[in-house]
Amino acid sequence: TQLLEQSPQFLSIQEGENLTVYCNSSSVFSSLQWYRQEPGEGPVLLVTVVTGGEVKKLKRLTFQFGDARKDSSLHITAAQTGDTGLYLCAGYSNTGNQFYFGTGTSLTVIP
Amino acid sequence: SAVISQKPSRDICQRGTSLTIQCQVDSQVTMMFWYRQQPGQSLTLIATANQGSEATYESGFVIDKFPISRPNLTFSTLTVSNMSPEDSSIYLCSVIGAGGGHEQFFGPGTRLTVL
Repeated sequence: TQLLEQSPQFLSIQEGENLTVYCNSSSVFSSLQWYRQEPGEGPVLLVTVVTGGEVKKLKRLTFQFGDARKDSSLHITAAQTGDTGLYLCAGYSNTGNQFYFGTGTSLTVIP
Repeated sequence: SAVISQKPSRDICQRGTSLTIQCQVDSQVTMMFWYRQQPGQSLTLIATANQGSEATYESGFVIDKFPISRPNLTFSTLTVSNMSPEDSSIYLCSVIGAGGGHEQFFGPGTRLTVL
């Protein structure tokens, strides 16, 4: 059972378009991270959100943590080919010191 | 952040053999994790390796199949024993950053193919 469901699972868009990736759960998390992974490499941390309702911006990427700390979204504006990769959300629960990874979203940006 | 290296980066092995994967961190860390990942898919936690104690394995993973060593705070190994083609996967180690946000930092992974 996957605690964190991501949607969509696959996404293929043209360069310049906008997109949103969702990470949903019925569980509450102390913090939530977003990672991007390129082929042949390990996941690389993009951002951590901790407070319910928190919004963080990283250049063209906007991350939001849900008010109830159960879900999150990643919005990319004007996608570039360099954004191509596997996006993973991960929730940390301090109950049992557990990490849970999302199901993943594979993004392809076409030039 | 932590810089993590893994050896080997990839290997092709015969059925029934074993492979030991090394994970080296550039700083001392308490918790290290070993994950398995099918290409393009999410991560599955194999075990948590804390220095000075036995590794804690997740459901579906056992010590006889995936023995782990953690001799010090900067190094760990994962052995994939008696391999079968079903063990073909990417194996990743990770550590928790010191920033308090519970971020994980990952090695580049070891791509294992079992024939």
